[in-house]
Amino acid sequence: EVVMTQSPATLSVSPGETATLSCRASQSISNNLAWYQHKPGQAPRLLISGASARATGVPARFSGSGSGTEFTLTISSLQSEDFAVYYCQQYNKRLPWTFGQGTKVEIK
Amino acid sequence: QVQLQESGPGLVKPSQTLALTCTVSGGSVSSGSYYWSWIRQSAGKGMEWIGRIYTSGTTNYNPSLRSRSNITIDRSKNQFSLELRSVTAADTAVYFCARSFIGAAGNWFDPWGPGTQVTVSS
Repeated sequence: EVVMTQSPATLSVSPGETATLSCRASQSISNNLAWYQHKPGQAPRLLISGASARATGVPARFSGSGSGTEFTLTISSLQSEDFAVYYCQQYNKRLPWTFGQGTKVEIK
Repeated sequence: QVQLQESGPGLVKPSQTLALTCTVSGGSVSSGSYYWSWIRQSAGKGMEWIGRIYTSGTTNYNPSLRSRSNITIDRSKNQFSLELRSVTAADTAVYFCARSFIGAAGNWFDPWGPGTQVTVSS
């Protein structure tokens, strides 16, 4: 199976700053990557699919990039509601679909 | 808009069977456009896809859980369910249900249910 590795595990950022989250795949997954935001007690929320396509209703300050094995989620001008855990997930060709371990974005 | 809601016991004894149901509202599990999945999140293994079902009843499972898992669909109740047999403490997790599109380019999950905590303990 494809192993997804996210870094860092925790990112401390001040409101208004930019957060850059990384996700690496153990083999090429083309652009078959999604990003999710998860807050405690809530349903995870799809942010990005196809590595860079924002889901409906997702603010433009969220952007995704990358292909192959290296991917980035950038959150510009962080707002209070953006502090959460972010997961990447690959869905390239073969099951099982796999997730990264998550990056917690916390207030600095 | 489609909403999913998990339900089931929050406490299961070791060696017993975990049984959860996902109720879908605002959409239909009979739709030919989607798969319906179970995913869990534990402290030890992070997010783990368990398996999925299509309206026809066709299933796919994570090889790591295939031998103990069974996903079924009840179109009359607009629900799908998970059974996980012979549970141990390692199966303690928050269990989510989620929807994904049919087709190679649509296998992300949207939406998800809020999740239900299941603890395995005697």
